[in-house]
Amino acid sequence: GAGVSQSPSNKVTEKGKDVELRCDPISGHTALYWYRQSLGQGLEFLIYFQGNSAPDKSGLPSDRFSAERTGGSVSTLTIQRTQQEDSAVYLCASIPGLAGHNEQFFGPGTRLTVL
Amino acid sequence: KNEVEQSPQNLTAQEGEFITINCSYSVGISALHWLQQHPGGGIVSLFMLSSGKKKHGRLIATINIQEKHSSLHITASHPRDSAVYICAVRSNQGAQKLVFGQGTRLTINP
Repeated sequence: GAGVSQSPSNKVTEKGKDVELRCDPISGHTALYWYRQSLGQGLEFLIYFQGNSAPDKSGLPSDRFSAERTGGSVSTLTIQRTQQEDSAVYLCASIPGLAGHNEQFFGPGTRLTVL
Repeated sequence: KNEVEQSPQNLTAQEGEFITINCSYSVGISALHWLQQHPGGGIVSLFMLSSGKKKHGRLIATINIQEKHSSLHITASHPRDSAVYICAVRSNQGAQKLVFGQGTRLTINP
């Protein structure tokens, strides 16, 4: 019955390191989004998963970013060789059914700081 | 020019006032979302609409597809309504991405 959860809530890393962010969607939700919100900026779409379909990766800013969703549930966003401009809050949202017909349930976000 | 423009960027009002936040977009859409982001950062989905009007408590959202414009209204505003309100649209070209406005920071003073 819990909402969307994300871990860690905060992550501080050094430039050049890899990081992995996790999203646990609401059970039974078939669609999942990752977004990014840089300091003082608006939300930015990163990637969308719907069931077993190929994900829409059109928002990923570079090939250092990748995401997967295992078993149609938990998703991980991986950033390789982190850069300072990757510092942001990374948000995940899950949707029951088709994204075009349903509202989104957001997680609390992971605040990533790259030193 | 951004695909989604919100106005005003900042709004300060007194408790009890009627609030209107506007969102204009330049693309054909399949749906428009209004989101609320509280000072702690949590985001809540308020409305998703593709036509007409929706109401939830003191919140009302309207959309005019022909004019590519949506408004979010808050009646009898309260300090707890203080938050950033974000408009987002999904294109009708089949892509699933949402395009977000920059948000409107609302402050309601007691």
